[in-house]
Amino acid sequence: DVKVTQSSRYLVKRTGEKVFLECVQDMDHENMFWYRQDPGLGLRLIYFSYDVKMKEKGDIPEGYSVSREKKERFSLILESASTNQTSMYLCASSTRTGAPQETQYFGPGTRLLVL
Amino acid sequence: QKEVEQDPGPLSVPEGAIVSLNCTYSNSAFQYFMWYRQYSRKGPELLMYTYSSGNKEDGRFTAQVDKSSKYISLFIRDSQPSDSATYLCAMQRQGAQKLVFGQGTRLTINP
Repeated sequence: DVKVTQSSRYLVKRTGEKVFLECVQDMDHENMFWYRQDPGLGLRLIYFSYDVKMKEKGDIPEGYSVSREKKERFSLILESASTNQTSMYLCASSTRTGAPQETQYFGPGTRLLVL
Repeated sequence: QKEVEQDPGPLSVPEGAIVSLNCTYSNSAFQYFMWYRQYSRKGPELLMYTYSSGNKEDGRFTAQVDKSSKYISLFIRDSQPSDSATYLCAMQRQGAQKLVFGQGTRLTINP
């Protein structure tokens, strides 16, 4: 069974704090993704990575950075958390081909509240 | 205008009803069309995918794609309370690694 795990299910942080969200996958997938999910807006891609140390901006990268030092691990960093970054954060992974039958496997999500 | 539009609902139907969920899109380059199901407090999981136009059936679920109208549908027959979830459509261009998601429709099946 493919497993994508996220370091926390719930996080509460203060405005201005640096926040690390970690994601680990155990299927040797090349691609990893970070999304945020907000009511009425669906899933929006923040960043993705197609290889170790490689990253590409998604649709809403502002205020975020990422790190992929190992193939199985993809971290999302909020350098200075703001209240508008309160959201559900979802990590996903897929094989290099990205074909739909290979699909994107999602983690359970981290619900982040920034006060 | 969003590339993919999906009515967020919520949609509430009685058990046993036929459910129709829909998405429209604007980018004619999309070739792969997917439906993900997301239960409460879980990540989305792939339910069905279709390449280009046509129908695909899997048990009680049928996915339809009409590329001429840029319209996709998911039908659920004999709906069950366990089908209660948020359903997200997603689309992908040929060769692309990224998916574009709709907003998701929250569905409740009442016993």
